[in-house]
Amino acid sequence: EPEVTQTPSHQVTQMGQEVILRCVPISNHLYFYWYRQILGQKVEFLVSFYNNEISEKSEIFDDQFSVERPDGSNFTLKIRSTKLEDSAMYFCASQDRAGNTIYFGEGSWLTVV
Amino acid sequence: DAKTTQPPSMDCAEGRAANLPCNHSTISGNEYVYWYRQIHSQGPQYIIHGLKNNETNEMASLIITEDRKSSTLILPHATLRDTAVYYCIVRVGRGAGGTSYGKLTFGQGTILTVHP
Repeated sequence: EPEVTQTPSHQVTQMGQEVILRCVPISNHLYFYWYRQILGQKVEFLVSFYNNEISEKSEIFDDQFSVERPDGSNFTLKIRSTKLEDSAMYFCASQDRAGNTIYFGEGSWLTVV
Repeated sequence: DAKTTQPPSMDCAEGRAANLPCNHSTISGNEYVYWYRQIHSQGPQYIIHGLKNNETNEMASLIITEDRKSSTLILPHATLRDTAVYYCIVRVGRGAGGTSYGKLTFGQGTILTVHP
């Protein structure tokens, strides 16, 4: 069964460093998402992406965050200057053409020290 | 998106049916009911969704009341591996332009514990 894959599975970074989280959505999907989950808290929406542009973003997704689909297969989330409070599990998701179902990857665990 | 209300936790014996309730009394006509689950901080896993008719797939059944103000997810024969947080989410469906599917907004969900 096709799946969303994410790399790295776990990354430790120093505060202030740039981080890029990578995702390979399911082939032929058109809509892409990033969510995050701080330990012990809810899964929170960050951003949705369609037709090579951001279609919606949350308050969390400030100027430190950016997304890109550089080559038609990868979908990346960049955090320009990480803060301690960015420590979380980041989930990538993609949505099928029919728009019915969003499928999530297994997540990238980011620890900022 | 409309808000949903779920019990914080439920228990179920292995092999029995698990019935997880969800209230969504402010649901709109173009909003679907989705169920996802999350096992131990893994990525949320899609289970099932519906608009107004009852739905069944290989994982579960979804029963939506006629007024659409509540629904029940049924796992017919729960196993220990079904222990997870179950999320009931109301999501805007396709609009006139065909691209206006809403995002998923997760609440706290129901922690289902299946015990031997």
